[in-house]
Amino acid sequence: DTVLTQSPGTLSLSPGETATLSCRASQRIRSNFLAWYQQTPGQSPRLLIYGASIRATGIPDRFSGGGSVTDFSLSITRLEPEDSAVYYCQQYGDTPPTFGQGTKLEIK
Amino acid sequence: QVQLMQSGPEVKEPGASVKVSCKTSGYTFTDFYIHWLRQSPRQGLEWMGRNNPTTGATNYAQKFLGRVTMTRDTSISTAFMELSSLRSDDTAVYFCARDSSDFSHGGKNFFDPWGQGTLVIVSA
Repeated sequence: DTVLTQSPGTLSLSPGETATLSCRASQRIRSNFLAWYQQTPGQSPRLLIYGASIRATGIPDRFSGGGSVTDFSLSITRLEPEDSAVYYCQQYGDTPPTFGQGTKLEIK
Repeated sequence: QVQLMQSGPEVKEPGASVKVSCKTSGYTFTDFYIHWLRQSPRQGLEWMGRNNPTTGATNYAQKFLGRVTMTRDTSISTAFMELSSLRSDDTAVYFCARDSSDFSHGGKNFFDPWGQGTLVIVSA
């Protein structure tokens, strides 16, 4: 199975700053089939990005994804308090689809 | 709008089975795979498998083979996941989720939207 390793584990930033989250895969991800999700406490995950860089419907352009092959990133600009959440990457290039362990973003 | 509404929390003893339901609305139930995933502090997010509501065909993750059964009732646009021989490490929140792409575009195995989750506690 493809193992995804996210870093950092926790990120603490202030409103207005830019967050950069990393996701590294144990093997090449076919066709950059990588997605990002946001999960706030008590809620289910929400799709943000798919195809490594395509924003899902209704996701603001403050969220952007990039990368290829084994190294991917999620950037969130102009941070707002409601961006506080855990962010997960997920690969769907092979079966089974697998998730990273998450990065917790704190907006202080 | 597309909604997936799951059944309520469950408490089960080790060795028992649990069946979780996922009632869908806002789209054509037979046009998209339904996936089942779970989340626990120890194991994180895990994909358990998927069900094709049109044919009933299933694909299960190796880890759950022999213990999980995914079914559907198209008359009520509802999917079901049953997990048997429960152990304490099956304690988790179980989610259903719709595939992001309909069958005309091929199932993509990423998920949008998700149900609200069902907490299953396995304890003696």
